[in-house]
Amino acid sequence: DSGVTQTPKHLITATGQRVTLRCSPRSGDLSVYWYQQSLDQGLQFLIQYYNGEERAKGNILERFSAQQFPDLHSELNLSSLELGDSALYFCASSVDGYGAQPQHFGDGTRLSIL
Amino acid sequence: DQQVKQNSPSLSVQEGRISILNCDYTNSMFDYFLWYKKYPAEGPTFLISISSIKDKNEDGRFTVFLNKSAKHLSLHIVPSQPGDSAVYFCAATVYNFNKFYFGSGTKLNVKP
Repeated sequence: DSGVTQTPKHLITATGQRVTLRCSPRSGDLSVYWYQQSLDQGLQFLIQYYNGEERAKGNILERFSAQQFPDLHSELNLSSLELGDSALYFCASSVDGYGAQPQHFGDGTRLSIL
Repeated sequence: DQQVKQNSPSLSVQEGRISILNCDYTNSMFDYFLWYKKYPAEGPTFLISISSIKDKNEDGRFTVFLNKSAKHLSLHIVPSQPGDSAVYFCAATVYNFNKFYFGSGTKLNVKP
């Protein structure tokens, strides 16, 4: 158990809809990362937050947004969903995000767009 | 543009033998590399890392080798055990840059 909690585990929705994925980091970790893993692909870095502030951004689509709340949990919002957004979305956390600290991953949310 | 590549989607090894998983990268700015292991229905778990100031790092049965000139790293598992059967991802970053680039993974099957 990594200590990182992601909800829901599975999400099925339709094109054009909007969903919110939730992540609670490991106790004591201030930094949260979001990744997308499409079929047979590696993990694509989306965005990182540290203590409520955006720190680094990857190839995150404009239809996607994220935030980290004062209690340090994070939400990833995906809107105007397309079939290609079907993927596993992972959240990870680390103590402070400095250096190259190993990240602790949640078990992911599997998003299926019908 | 995929900056970290794992060209072998799968690898099968007999229990007790050595498993060698390979990873190539294109960005010469990368100076820190990590390996993660992933079981089905779970998130990746950190395994071992190496800084570019080293060419080898060892932790028990796991050793990572880094060849900077070839932009290549490898993970050696000796001896391999059935419990090592998982997908292995390599990742690379620039220290303090906070963006991690992952390969597509290699599925290792260790046969009893």
